[in-house]
Amino acid sequence: ETGVTQTPRHLVMGMTNKKSLKCEQHLGHNAMYWYKQSAKKPLELMFVYNFKEQTENNSVPSRFSPECPNSSHLFLHLHTLQPEDSALYLCASSQDTLPGGGSYNEQFFGPGTRLTVL
Amino acid sequence: QQQVKQSPQSLIVQKGGISIINCAYENTAFDYFPWYQQFPGKGPALLIAIRPDVSEKKEGRFTISFNKSAKQFSLHIMDSQPGDSATYFCAARGFGSARQLTFGSGTQLTVLP
Repeated sequence: ETGVTQTPRHLVMGMTNKKSLKCEQHLGHNAMYWYKQSAKKPLELMFVYNFKEQTENNSVPSRFSPECPNSSHLFLHLHTLQPEDSALYLCASSQDTLPGGGSYNEQFFGPGTRLTVL
Repeated sequence: QQQVKQSPQSLIVQKGGISIINCAYENTAFDYFPWYQQFPGKGPALLIAIRPDVSEKKEGRFTISFNKSAKQFSLHIMDSQPGDSATYFCAARGFGSARQLTFGSGTQLTVLP
């Protein structure tokens, strides 16, 4: 596997279900991100982890719970979701989140998990 | 609020034509302006990026034009090809320890054969 992988690619769940999304990066990066992508809207940053520590939570409802056990893996635990949570959930990674010289600190994205909440 | 406004929402161009997508921002603290390309079923991928100390950057058929005083930047795709059909997002990143990206709402480009 190379780059950033996400599983599952598609997920359909009821509002009372509990499920988890998984992201794995094979790039040796230290920072990982969760984004929500809805049609015709900008990508919404949800969570940021740098060196396994959560550095940003953009007022995300508690029904979304992230977990970062190490710099290569990131999970998004889902419970009691609402239909409006249906979207494409993207994971990304970068070298880190710190300001650094001339580095662009490019973010590399996975293919996403298409989530449908019934 | 840090916003990046992108237009048009969709664009149809004939093969060989020029595709132009525009973005405008408000926060003068932004210091990095990337463009991402996203194909169906894939995540966004960095296409080209510019810093505000230059007014233009060209990579192959893709050019970013940057107007710092107007707080606007645009992507030009020369000799557009059907394989360029994708959704394009502009973004901007500011100062600070987080340096998070703020994205535009995307432009769906269709290049007709």
